[in-house]
Amino acid sequence: EAGVVQSPRYKIIEKKQPVAFWCNPISGHNTLYWYRQNLGQGPELLIRYENEEAVDDSQLPKDRFSAERLKGVDSTLKIQPAELGDSAVYLCASSLLAGATTDTQYFGPGTRLTVL
Amino acid sequence: AQSVTQLGSHVSVSEGALVLLRCNYSSSVPPYLFWYVQYPNQGLQLLLKYTSAATLVKGINGFEAEFKKSETSFHLTKPSAHMRDAAEYFCAVSETHKLIFGTGTRLQVFP
Repeated sequence: EAGVVQSPRYKIIEKKQPVAFWCNPISGHNTLYWYRQNLGQGPELLIRYENEEAVDDSQLPKDRFSAERLKGVDSTLKIQPAELGDSAVYLCASSLLAGATTDTQYFGPGTRLTVL
Repeated sequence: AQSVTQLGSHVSVSEGALVLLRCNYSSSVPPYLFWYVQYPNQGLQLLLKYTSAATLVKGINGFEAEFKKSETSFHLTKPSAHMRDAAEYFCAVSETHKLIFGTGTRLQVFP
């Protein structure tokens, strides 16, 4: 069974440029998460989807970040414009059930963003 | 709000030695606790999780963790370290469907 797929794996951009990350969760998984992991830190949740609905986006900086999960499958996270402080690894995760606190989250390999 | 604290950002052991990675939690409700491992340039992989069943939880790769309510701890152990165990380890607590991670402990294993 294929795991969570993310692309690109690495991205280097100039500040003020836009950037987009793509995630394809494990087939059949209803819940999708985007996390940001700063250097030397643990991941922090940006947004959680249950099917097509963003049920928790309280930590998403909405002035420059946006996300979508059309048809409840794959998802795109966008930053426009990027700032130096956005340099981090962006991780996508998925879990089978919706609304299950103990359900295992499966993580993709992440996209490492460097903003120059 | 729930949180976890990982004591020691770096732990070094010799191959074959006991591995002990410390995690303490803060929670006003019975917590659900997780240990994840992250190898270089890879995503996080679940090692084990505590969901209020048995207090001693066995995971993959020979790791286990014991939930101790009296000490608010969920330390990760492995009797004998292997070189392949070198990685970053994260403790996490589940809060309203999201994971709250600690800052991680980097495990180095020397031959």
